[in-house]
Amino acid sequence: DAGVTQSPTHLIKTRGQHVTLRCSPISGHKSVSWYQQVLGQGPQFIFQYYEKEERGRGNFPDRFSARQFPNYSSELNVNALLLGDSALYLCASTSGLASYNEQFFGPGTRLTVL
Amino acid sequence: GNSVTQMEGPVTLSEEAFLTINCTYTATGYPSLFWYVQYPGEGLQLLLKATKADDKGSNKGFEATYRKETTSFHLEKGSVQVSDSAVYFCALNPRDGNQFYFGTGTSLTVIP
Repeated sequence: DAGVTQSPTHLIKTRGQHVTLRCSPISGHKSVSWYQQVLGQGPQFIFQYYEKEERGRGNFPDRFSARQFPNYSSELNVNALLLGDSALYLCASTSGLASYNEQFFGPGTRLTVL
Repeated sequence: GNSVTQMEGPVTLSEEAFLTINCTYTATGYPSLFWYVQYPGEGLQLLLKATKADDKGSNKGFEATYRKETTSFHLEKGSVQVSDSAVYFCALNPRDGNQFYFGTGTSLTVIP
């Protein structure tokens, strides 16, 4: 079975631009979460979606938004890009909302803002 | 609030040495605890987990015990290999939510 997939793999943008990142969860998983991982740090939670509804939001500005589609894939959108948005963006899927459920991570999208 | 504190790296060990990476946590309620590993150029992979106090998670020779009294989840391995070189992240998932909180990661390099 395919794992979590993300596209694109790498992306280079300039300040002020907009970006859309995409994620497909493991088949059967209904929950998708997004994380930002700045170089040398641990992942920071951005959003969680379950059954197409937002279930959690981290401490990120309104420039960050996301949605989940009927097939449970998800998009993360970032507007008005800043240099500080340069990071690895990770998508994770999980089968349910119980705390013992592990999250399965995709390989990430490396975003560079110039 | 919820947070995870890991020992700072980088850690460099010789092959077959004993490994300990310390992890302590602060959480509301009774979280589940996880260790994830990130090999160079790859995404995070679950290494092991424990869901209640005194549980021991184990995988690939790594072990960690959920210690509620000391709020710790230290990662250990008796004999490391070069292939264990990676960044290790301690994480928790609170009972009242599904947001993972990660530590800053500990980079391990094992030399032959």
